[in-house]
Amino acid sequence: DVKVTQSSRYLVKRTGEKVFLECVQDMDHENMFWYRQDPGLGLRLIYFSYDVKMKEKGDIPEGYSVSREKKERFSLILESASTNQTSMYLCASSVYRVFFGYTFGSGTRLTVV
Amino acid sequence: QKEVEQDPGPLSVPEGAIVSLNCTYSNSAFQYFMWYRQYSRKGPELLMYTYSSGNKEDGRFTAQVDKSSKYISLFIRDSQPSDSATYLCAMSRVGQGAQKLVFGQGTRLTINP
Repeated sequence: DVKVTQSSRYLVKRTGEKVFLECVQDMDHENMFWYRQDPGLGLRLIYFSYDVKMKEKGDIPEGYSVSREKKERFSLILESASTNQTSMYLCASSVYRVFFGYTFGSGTRLTVV
Repeated sequence: QKEVEQDPGPLSVPEGAIVSLNCTYSNSAFQYFMWYRQYSRKGPELLMYTYSSGNKEDGRFTAQVDKSSKYISLFIRDSQPSDSATYLCAMSRVGQGAQKLVFGQGTRLTINP
């Protein structure tokens, strides 16, 4: 069964910590995305990548960075975690040439205390 | 004004009822229209995919796109308690590369036995 795997389901981190969220897909998809999902705000795009080592900012990139060293892996980095980054983080992937929507991971619920 | 508007609900109906979920959008360039279903504490999963206008049926689910009115709908017939979830509409323009989906806020649906 093809899928997108996020390394942690639940994380609790302290304010100021550097946090790494990992995402791996086994579908050989070129595109990968990071969203956060908050009640009342829906899904908001943080960063995306269309190729190895390529990245582009989404709608809310402040306080985040990303890394894509291999095609199957896309990491989201919170440089200095803050309480307003407490959220559900969703990773997704899609094919480059023909668009059939995204495949999402199960999400990581991050709490910053 | 948001590009995609979706009533967040919550919507509660009895088992067996026909459910109608809707989204409106403002960008006439959107050509891909999707519905995702998201169970509690899970990532969204693609439920229906439509390119351009028209209807698409898959079992108890029917997706409709009316581009002239910038309005899309998802109908669920013979609703079941297992259909209880949040339903997200999503749409995108035609183009190369990393297609960015724009999501509605999601409608929380509960089917009561």
